[in-house]
This record gives sequence, structure tokens and C-alpha cells, in this order.
Amino acid sequence: QVQLQESGPGLVKPSQTLSLTCTVSGGSISSGSYYWSWIRQPAGKGLEWIGRIYTSGSTNYNPSLKSRVTISVDTSKNQFSLKLSSVTAADTAVYYCAGGGSRTYDYWGQGTLVTVSS
Amino acid sequence: AIQLTQSPSSLSASVGDRVTITCRASQGISSALAWYQQKPGKAPKLLIYDASSLESGVPSRFSGSGSGTDFTLTISSLQPEDFATYYCQQFNSYTTFGQGTRLEIK
Repeated sequence: QVQLQESGPGLVKPSQTLSLTCTVSGGSISSGSYYWSWIRQPAGKGLEWIGRIYTSGSTNYNPSLKSRVTISVDTSKNQFSLKLSSVTAADTAVYYCAGGGSRTYDYWGQGTLVTVSS
Repeated sequence: AIQLTQSPSSLSASVGDRVTITCRASQGISSALAWYQQKPGKAPKLLIYDASSLESGVPSRFSGSGSGTDFTLTISSLQPEDFATYYCQQFNSYTTFGQGTRLEIK
């Protein structure tokens, strides 16, 4: 059973870079045709897709965030990561990592709250 | 970007009721749609994929239908554990989520 776990700072200062890592267990991040994604959810609001990385390393990003987002993968550690630059209070949210095929998100992490505040 | 509009935004119903939630896409997405259930403080859980395929382990009271721009999620007989927020998600062009439908106990 594949499991995902987010990790990273819970508090980030405005204008700095938010960095999160998702560790995949119970399976290899580089096996199969999986997309590994980041999604966020501000308190009391809906889900917003941030971007994804394929097992080949190719990436796709939400156009509204593209200029600030980088998603990368470290196959040696079975992890993938998110960097979001120039954060503001509007980036405060629960951040989820997820994995799945081209038309499903089968696996989700439990989510991690990131607050942007000085 | 493809937009998904769910209706209603919230819904009150009783145990045993039949409930239908609608998701409309701003352009055709074939059957590239999934439905998720989210409970407070938890990650979303996949219910339906490819518009009408039931994810393994999900009760058969959940069903999905539709193609193109109009989709529905139906719960045939509400159970206490079904009160949650439901989201649709399209996969035709990258991915986007609907705004959610909150299902509350009447």
C-alpha cells in the first residue's frame, strides 16, 4: 500500500520561499506511469492544483502559479518536492501531495498546514 | 483553463435520502472526470474515476454518470458516514477541481 507523507516548515515569512517534501513509501516513485502532484486548500475553501511531475521528470504547473513554482523529484530518496517562491498571506493553506495515474489521484498525504506570516 | 461548476454548493439531506450532485465543465472533457469525498481535517478520498467507474472499496450506493460537459454523482441511500464535502476534478487539460458541495444532515 503506497503511502505519502508531507514534511517541511509550518511557518514561512512573506517574500520567502516555501519548501515542502513528500516522501513515498510502500512503492517506488519511479516505477509505473505515475504523476506526483501538489494540491493546496486554504482554510474553509476548495482544492487548488499546484502542479505535477511525471516519473520521467517532466512537469506541468497551474498557469496561475507557474512563475513561482518548481516541482522536482529525488528518486534515490523516493521523494518529490515543492518550492513556491515570493509567498504572501494568500499562500497560507494546507498543502497535500498526491500520486496517481493520468486520470486519478489514488494516493494522498495527510496534508500539512503552511502559514505565511512575519 | 477548464472550469468546473458544482451545484448545489451545499445540500441538507436525511439518512436514507437519494442525493444527486452536478458538475458542469466549461468545455467538453469526454469522460475525464473524478469525484472525491473529503471529511474535515482529512485528505480527499477517490470515489469515482472516468466519470462512472467505482473505485475499489467504495460502497455501491455511490455512482457517477455523464460525459462531455455534464456529470452527476448520486448517492442512492445516504448513510451517516456520507455527510462530507464532495469535489469533482477534471483531467482533460491538466487538472482543476470544482468548488465543492457540502452535504449536511437535515
